[in-house]
Amino acid sequence: DIVLSQSPGTVSLSLGERATLSCRASQSVSNYLAWYQQKPGQAPRLIIYNASNRATGVPDRFSGDGSGTDFNFTISSLEPEDSAFYYCQQRGDWPPTFGPGTKVEVK
Amino acid sequence: DVQLVASGGDIVQPGGSLRVSCAASAVTFNTYWVHWVRQVPGKGLVWVSDIKSDGTTATYADSVRGRFTISRDNAKKTVYLQMNSLRVEDTAVYFCARAYASGFASWGQGTPVTVSS
Repeated sequence: DIVLSQSPGTVSLSLGERATLSCRASQSVSNYLAWYQQKPGQAPRLIIYNASNRATGVPDRFSGDGSGTDFNFTISSLEPEDSAFYYCQQRGDWPPTFGPGTKVEVK
Repeated sequence: DVQLVASGGDIVQPGGSLRVSCAASAVTFNTYWVHWVRQVPGKGLVWVSDIKSDGTTATYADSVRGRFTISRDNAKKTVYLQMNSLRVEDTAVYFCARAYASGFASWGQGTPVTVSS
């Protein structure tokens, strides 16, 4: 199975600052990578698919890039509602796997 | 957007069985794959199983293969996950979601399954 690692584990930034999260795959997943936002007690929400495409209704402060094994997810200007866990997930190989998540705290 | 609603979670004893359901609101339900993903509270997301739009193909995580069976009834716009020989480690919130490009969209709210004596 492809293992996804995410860094940092937790990021704590102030309102309006830029957050950059990293996801690394143990082998190439091409661009078959997605990012999710999950808040406590809620289901995950698809934010980015195919490494760099925003899902419907997602604000443009969210972006993603990368291919192969290294991917980044950026929130350009943090809003209070961005406090959540963020997970990367690959479907470049079976089975689909998720990273362990990054917790984003907005101060 | 498509709405998925998961239901059927319960408390069961080890070795027991349970069927959870995922009902969709979309007319186009029969055009997409549906996946189950589970999450132990406070932990990460783990993919469990998926089923093709017409129900002819299904795959499973190694941890559940041989014990869980996924199926769908497109007339009822519902996907089922039959879980047999349940183990304590199957305790989790079970989410259903539809495949969308490289990811999963339209996640249901999750249904909790607790396996405990």
